Amino acid sequence: DTEVTQTPKHLVMGMTNKKSLKCEQHMGHRAMYWYKQKAKKPPELMFVYSYEKLSINESVPSRFSPECPNSSLLNLHLHALQPEDSALYLCASSQPVQGASEQYFGPGTRLTVT
Amino acid sequence: AQSVTQLDSHVSVSEGTPVLLRCNYSSSYSPSLFWYVQHPNKGLQLLLKYTSAATLVKGINGFEAEFKKSETSFHLTKPSAHMSDAAEYFCALKTPGSARQLTFGSGTQLTVLP
Repeated sequence: DTEVTQTPKHLVMGMTNKKSLKCEQHMGHRAMYWYKQKAKKPPELMFVYSYEKLSINESVPSRFSPECPNSSLLNLHLHALQPEDSALYLCASSQPVQGASEQYFGPGTRLTVT
Repeated sequence: AQSVTQLDSHVSVSEGTPVLLRCNYSSSYSPSLFWYVQHPNKGLQLLLKYTSAATLVKGINGFEAEFKKSETSFHLTKPSAHMSDAAEYFCALKTPGSARQLTFGSGTQLTVLP
C-alpha cells in the first residue's frame, strides 16, 4: 500500500476560524512533510517531521501549526489565516529524511480562506 | 547549491506522437532524480526515479527517462501520447545524505491534442 490519505478534500474557512488538516500513511515511513502549492507552481515545502520530531520549518508563519501525534499521522492546525493562504495543501511521506527514497504524496486539501 | 530547470513551461503533442519533456539539473553531488505527474486538483504521483543504478529508467504508464551526467539532464519520454497523459509534470532532485529536501523544477504543462 503506497497511499497517503488527506482529509478534508476541500475546506472553506473565514479568517477568524480555527481548523485542522489531517494526513495519514501506513507505509511505515518515518518522515512526513507538509507542502503548500499555488496554481501552476511547484509545491513549496513548509514543514518536515523526522521520527515524529519537527526537523525543518521553512519560516512558515505561526498561524500554521504542525503536529505529529505518532509515526502515521500528521496534522496542520490553521488559525487566523489570510486570503493569500488559499492553496492546495499536500502531505507527503518517505523513508528517513537522509536517504534517497522518493516521497509519496496525498491528494491534497484545497483550502479557501474568505 | 542544487537546482532543477525544466526547459519548457508548456508542451503540446498530438495523440499517438512521442512526448519529450526536458529537465536539466545542477548538483555538487550525485543526485537522485524524480519525475512526478499531477493531474488537475490531484496530488503528485511518482512516475519514475533515478538513484545511481541503471541510467535508463522505466516508469509507469509507458514513461521512461535517461540520466546523462555529461549533459546534466534527465529528460522524460514516452513513445506514444494518450489523452490521459495531459497533466503537469515536475522534475525533482534530492541529494542523498543531505537533510535538504526535494528541489522541484517549475513544471511543464503537457497538452495532448486529439
